[in-house]
Amino acid sequence: TQLLEQSPQFLSIQEGENLTVYCNSSSVFSSLQWYRQEPGEGPVLLVTVVTGGEVKKLKRLTFQFGDARKDSSLHITAAQPGDTGLYLCAGVGTSGTYKYIFGTGTRLKVLA
Amino acid sequence: DTGVSQDPRHKITKRGQNVTFRCDPISEHNRLYWYRQTLGQGPEFLTYFQNEAQLEKSRLLSDRFSAERPKGSFSTLEIQRTEQGDSAMYLCASSPRESNQPQHFGDGTRLSIL
Repeated sequence: TQLLEQSPQFLSIQEGENLTVYCNSSSVFSSLQWYRQEPGEGPVLLVTVVTGGEVKKLKRLTFQFGDARKDSSLHITAAQPGDTGLYLCAGVGTSGTYKYIFGTGTRLKVLA
Repeated sequence: DTGVSQDPRHKITKRGQNVTFRCDPISEHNRLYWYRQTLGQGPEFLTYFQNEAQLEKSRLLSDRFSAERPKGSFSTLEIQRTEQGDSAMYLCASSPRESNQPQHFGDGTRLSIL
């Protein structure tokens, strides 16, 4: 069974601080997505990473896919209150199925 | 393209009643997924369709749950004889045929069982 573990589960930081969220698995994924979800809404796609070692930037957010495609990280620089939300990683396996496995989630709160 | 649409947004019902939710995916997407999400957790996979074919079902999907996508477009998720443990957000997502293309989610149906 493929599992994705995220850490930390909860993070409360002051505006302007930097943070990193990790998404780890013992399984290889063909691609991995990061989403942000606000209360009462569906997850919104932030990025997809496909190639091992790939780094993508989205303004103050930097996403990295591990070389072995088993893990990923999300780094936020100079966090702002608008970054508050539930961050989710989701991976697609390599076995030919198109089933997505979601991580346990990281709840981020950025205080003004 | 208005994105993935789910109806209703909220459903409150008494234990033992049947409920049905609808999902309209992005029009050119041939894969459609159902998830269940409880407060503070990540979405749990329930089932997915490629066109009208239901290709995989989670063991979370008990006999009381059934999903259909009769014409390969919209999908319905029915829960029979609801139980309090069914209270959750039910999310639908769709993705295109091409591999490594991400899912896009609707805003979900929040089910509350009294």
